[in-house]
Amino acid sequence: DSGVTQTPKHLITATGQRVTLRCSPRSGDLSVYWYQQSLDQGLQFLIQYYNGEERAKGNILERFSAQQFPDLHSELNLSSLELGDSALYFCASSAPGTGETQYFGPGTRLLVL
Amino acid sequence: GESVGLHLPTLSVQEGDNSIINCAYSNSASDYFIWYKQESGKGPQFIIDIRSNMDKRQGQRVTVLLNKTVKHLSLQIAATQPGDSAVYFCAESDTGNQFYFGTGTSLTVIP
Repeated sequence: DSGVTQTPKHLITATGQRVTLRCSPRSGDLSVYWYQQSLDQGLQFLIQYYNGEERAKGNILERFSAQQFPDLHSELNLSSLELGDSALYFCASSAPGTGETQYFGPGTRLLVL
Repeated sequence: GESVGLHLPTLSVQEGDNSIINCAYSNSASDYFIWYKQESGKGPQFIIDIRSNMDKRQGQRVTVLLNKTVKHLSLQIAATQPGDSAVYFCAESDTGNQFYFGTGTSLTVIP
């Protein structure tokens, strides 16, 4: 158990809908990272937050957004969902400082029908 | 963008043998590298890391080797066990904020 929690574990929804994925980092970690893992593309970095502020942005679609709250939990919002958004979404957290190891949560499996 | 690739997508080894998983990276500015293990249905799990000022680091049954000259990273698992069967990812970073992952190597341990 990495100490990172994610909810829900599974999510099934329809195209065009909007969903919110939630992540709670390890105690003491200030950074939260979001990744998308699909069968044909491996782990793709989406976005990073550090202590409530956006720190780095990867291959995140405009339909997707994220935020980190004062209690350091983070939410990833996916809107206007398409079939291709079906994937595993992982959250990771790391301790303060750069180059710190990221610890991953169990992931949310999203299926868009 | 960054490019992190793996030489072999699948690897099968006999239980008790040593395993070597390779990874190539393209960004010569990368200074921090991590190996992760991902079992089916679970999130990636940290195995071992290495910084660019080192060329070898050992953990419990695992060793990571870094060759900066050819931009190559390898993970050696000693006395491979059935529980080692998983997908292994290498990841690199040059900023400490953004990590780039390879596509993964699937390791199967044959009893």
